[in-house]
Amino acid sequence: NAGVTQTPKFRILKIGQSMTLQCTQDMNHNYMYWYRQDPGMGLKLIYYSVGAGITDKGEVPNGYNVSRSTTEDFPLRLELAAPSQTSVYFCASSQGQGRSYTFGSGTRLTVV
Amino acid sequence: KQEVTQIPAALSVPEGENLVLNCSFTDSAIYNLQWFRQDPGKGLTSLLLIQSSQREQTSGRLNASLDKSSGRSTLYIAASQPGDSATYLCAVSYSGAGSYQLTFGKGTKLSVIP
Repeated sequence: NAGVTQTPKFRILKIGQSMTLQCTQDMNHNYMYWYRQDPGMGLKLIYYSVGAGITDKGEVPNGYNVSRSTTEDFPLRLELAAPSQTSVYFCASSQGQGRSYTFGSGTRLTVV
Repeated sequence: KQEVTQIPAALSVPEGENLVLNCSFTDSAIYNLQWFRQDPGKGLTSLLLIQSSQREQTSGRLNASLDKSSGRSTLYIAASQPGDSATYLCAVSYSGAGSYQLTFGKGTKLSVIP
C-alpha cells in the first residue's frame, strides 16, 4: 500500500539550478496533481494531468514543467530555480473528479 | 474567483471536548468539498468528502456538514483526543472551468490538551 511516493523529501538548490521532483502512484489513478504549500497560505495547484499524455496548467505554473508518459509517474521539473520557488511541494492523485485525493508526503525545497 | 476561509486559524481545547471547525466559500456552485488533516511535516490525509448533493458525511467521531446556499461547511469532532492535534484543511472543487482544481483554505491548527 505505497499510495503516492515523492522523492526526494528534502533538497537545497542554488539559484539557476534545475531539478526534477519525482512522483509515483500505484493505485492506477488517472488524475494526478502538483501543489505547492507556502507558510500561512493555502495549497496552490501548479499542474495537473487527467491521464497519460495529457497535462494542463493550474493556478501557478510559471517556472515549472511536467510530463505524464505513464499512468504511474508525474514528474515536476524546475528549470531555473528562483528563491520564490522555496516551498513544500505535494503530489496527489485521485480516481477522477469528485473522488477523494491521496497525497504524497511532500518535498521540502529551499532555493538559496 | 473561489475563496475558502477557515476560522479560527488556531484552536486549543481540553481532551474530551466536542468541537466544531468552520469553513466558508464564496461560490456556491461547488462540485464537492473535502476535509483533510495535516500533521507537522507530513502530507495531507483525506478525512471526509461531501458531494454537492449531500448534506453531511460521517466517519467515526467525525461529522462534516455542507450548506451550499450559505456557503458553509463544518467539521464536528466528538470527544476530542490528543491524537486529533493537527491542522485541518477544507478544500472545494467547483463546476465548470477549473473543476479539476481544489481551492484550499489556510487551515485551522487544532491542539487537544491532555
